[in-house]
Amino acid sequence: DADVTQTPRNRITKTGKRIMLECSQTKGHDRMYWYRQDPGLGLRLIYYSFDVKDINKGEISDGYSVSRQAQAKFSLSLESAIPNQTALYFCATSELGLAGGNEQFFGPGTRLTVL
Amino acid sequence: GESVGLHLPTLSVQEGDNSIINCAYSNSASDYFIWYKQESGKGPQFIIDIRSNMDKRQGQRVTVLLNKTVKHLSLQIAATQPGDSAVYFCAEVKTSYDKVIFGPGTSLSVIP
Repeated sequence: DADVTQTPRNRITKTGKRIMLECSQTKGHDRMYWYRQDPGLGLRLIYYSFDVKDINKGEISDGYSVSRQAQAKFSLSLESAIPNQTALYFCATSELGLAGGNEQFFGPGTRLTVL
Repeated sequence: GESVGLHLPTLSVQEGDNSIINCAYSNSASDYFIWYKQESGKGPQFIIDIRSNMDKRQGQRVTVLLNKTVKHLSLQIAATQPGDSAVYFCAEVKTSYDKVIFGPGTSLSVIP
């Protein structure tokens, strides 16, 4: 069974719709991250959470919000989707902070298309 | 501005040959660097990392070299196998921000 799962795996929606992407992990990690991946740009950090009570903006948080419902769950929402949010979205976890050299474990990704 | 990027977007190698994937970075204040492998339809997977106070680190069939003088990072894969076909990302970690900055990726294709 996968340690980091994402739902849905694929989603097509229309401009202006609200979308929620969900991430669950069974690794018991405190830290969770949301990234988006665009062709030729690598992965960019949207939001990250160090624990249930801690939420931090990443480099491209505008247009997104997150909710850390429990240690194992971290959801990403697009309040009003727009076409330039079409991308591949990844959730990741880590046991410790990156400062400790701790690796991140990624989910399989959600491919979102906004028409 | 800060950036982590790769010299070549694609690389094709013959099975059994060694592969070298390069990465240039512009910010010398990073604490360490990571190489990730992303296979088609999957999320990135950690391969190896290297701290900024090191110039070489070896793993299983992989070696990472760091040249801080020219701000260059490379990943060497020995005896490349078909299963090594993937996109490889270098990433820079800034501990002060506790986040990872990824480069755009290099696609490695292994020719049987």
